[in-house]
Formats: sequence, C-alpha cells, structure tokens
Amino acid sequence: GAGVSQSPRYKVAKRGQDVALRCDPISGHVSLFWYQQALGQGPEFLTYFQNEAQLDKSGLPSDRFFAERPEGSVSTLKIQRTQQEDSAVYLCASSLEASGRPGELFFGEGSRLTVL
Amino acid sequence: SQKIEQNSEALNIQEGKTATLTCNYTNYSPAYLQWYRQDPGRGPVFLLLIRENEKEKRKERLKVTFDTTLKQSLFHITASQPADSATYLCALAGTGGGNKLTFGTGTQLKVEL
Repeated sequence: GAGVSQSPRYKVAKRGQDVALRCDPISGHVSLFWYQQALGQGPEFLTYFQNEAQLDKSGLPSDRFFAERPEGSVSTLKIQRTQQEDSAVYLCASSLEASGRPGELFFGEGSRLTVL
Repeated sequence: SQKIEQNSEALNIQEGKTATLTCNYTNYSPAYLQWYRQDPGRGPVFLLLIRENEKEKRKERLKVTFDTTLKQSLFHITASQPADSATYLCALAGTGGGNKLTFGTGTQLKVEL
C-alpha cells in the first residue's frame, strides 16, 4: 500500500480482555516502531524492530505487552489482560533506514484503544 | 533525567505572521532532531530533519534552527495560513540510538484569519 496501515482504528475492550493491534508498514521498510500516545501528550516509544529482529523493547510498560514481526513485514502489538491505564492511541511507524541512520518515520493513523 | 520541553500552551497567531515554536531539551546529546506535524485523529507527519552539525535547515515556508550549546531548536513557519493550524512535535535521536525517536509533548498552533 501507499502508506502505513493500522487496524483496527478503534477498539473498545473490557478490562481483562486481550487485544491485538496490527500494523502493515510500507513495503520494503526495514525499521518498524510502536509508540503509545496518551491524550494531549507526545508519542512514547514502546518497541523497535529491524526486519524481524526486535532490537529494543525498553519502552514496553509491562510484561502484558508483547510485539512481534515474524516475517519482517506485518507487526502485531498484543496487550494481555488490559487495564484502564492502557487506554491510548497506539501508533505504528516504519522507516526505510536501518538502525544507526537517521530517517523520517512514516506513521499510520493509529489504533485508539479504550478499556472500560 | 532526560527531558524534552515544548510550549504546553497553544500558540495563536494571525494569518500572514511568522509562527515560532520552541523545543528545549536537557540531559540529551542528540545526533539529530526532527519536527513533525500532527492533526487531530491522525498520525504525525514528518516535516524536517536537522543534524547536530547543522545550524539551520529550510524547506519552503519552514525553517528549523538547532543550537546544541543552548540545547534548543526553533521551528519557524513564515507567512502562516489557517491550514498550518495543527500540533507540532519535536523529536530527538541520541547518538548510538539508531533512529529511535523521543518526542516532546507538542505545541498546538492556531492560525486565525
């Protein structure tokens, strides 16, 4: 596709449910990032992949958060046993550049998660 | 601790004027800095990148400066238009940190007729 695609755009979950958020990056992009954005705040880094390798997961807030990119393309962010504080917009971004080289990030429209 | 600060209050200016947004940082040694625009309900969109050894970068009506001594970047929009109204985010990448970006909280700009 022409841009980064995320699904679902909106997700409402009951506290304790598991959710999975999907990101389809721009074809050929090596790097993929997940960010979490709370209302009125800037995006907060969660995790980073270079191809299929997860090189940095230092931003994942707890072991309930898990991300994968098994074939170096599509990525899934999974949140187990959701809590109300998980409510946020989850942004996926991809970049043509590999780690160590500056490059612009192309963001998707985000998945807005609301936990009741 | 590392901190990136942007004006938390919205900036309101008249159409045609120059908007200047500020990004200050502490406890960082960024290799480069980027500015993004974000509209409500949308993902951020890249605008400009400036490296630590560059003082200034321009693109059409946009200008970014980067002062590593002051630990500050200024983002200017000249001849502002209502369509420039959005939230503007600065983002830093540290040396050795690859292209992982740390974002500020953003400044909301409103350009009025």
